Amino acid sequence: DTGVSQDPRHKITKRGQNVTFRCDPISEHNRLYWYRQTLGQGPEFLTYFQNEAQLEKSRLLSDRFSAERPKGSFSTLEIQRTEQGDSAMYLCASSFRTSFNEQFFGPGTRLTVL
Amino acid sequence: GENVEQHPSTLSVQEGDSAVIKCTYSDSASNYFPWYKQELGKRPQLIIDIRSNVGEKKDQRIAVTLNKTAKHFSLHITETQPEDSAVYFCAASGDKIIFGKGTRLHILP
Repeated sequence: DTGVSQDPRHKITKRGQNVTFRCDPISEHNRLYWYRQTLGQGPEFLTYFQNEAQLEKSRLLSDRFSAERPKGSFSTLEIQRTEQGDSAMYLCASSFRTSFNEQFFGPGTRLTVL
Repeated sequence: GENVEQHPSTLSVQEGDSAVIKCTYSDSASNYFPWYKQELGKRPQLIIDIRSNVGEKKDQRIAVTLNKTAKHFSLHITETQPEDSAVYFCAASGDKIIFGKGTRLHILP
């Protein structure tokens, strides 16, 4: 499968625990995005990378959230001290930076915080 | 800030009829307008897109129109089929994509 992959697909955790998600983009894509989607809503932008540089972070991304893309390939999204409000689908997408920005989505990681 | 408004939030059409979903955007720098279809429990899938230098694009039963002056764009699905039932998201993109809140499309038998 040469598409975007995410791991794990599902994560159940207790409030206060830390969780980390991984995204592997399409190999030739230099841009990687993280979104959060809650039930009945559209994906909300969290942050994006061009190669290893994190270019923008949404105001939605509190200090408990951190994302990295150390080698410009895969990325990790960590949530510290999880809260019930963090329960959502976390989607990763990648694109090849051109004048236009066609993004391809991974299957998502569904987080449930108990 | 950047915003994309999408209407209607729910749409029911008889099988075989046409469906139209409309969006407006606020960021003048947006130059790329994708439409995604999302089925329950699955990832958003790109179904069609339009770039800012084009006013209309068609792919079989699906067409999109863009009015950059008015900052409006629309999705048209003709001859709807049961498998068209899903949630559809419009989006406007510069460096990042801003999504609308989605339209739940029901195709009635």
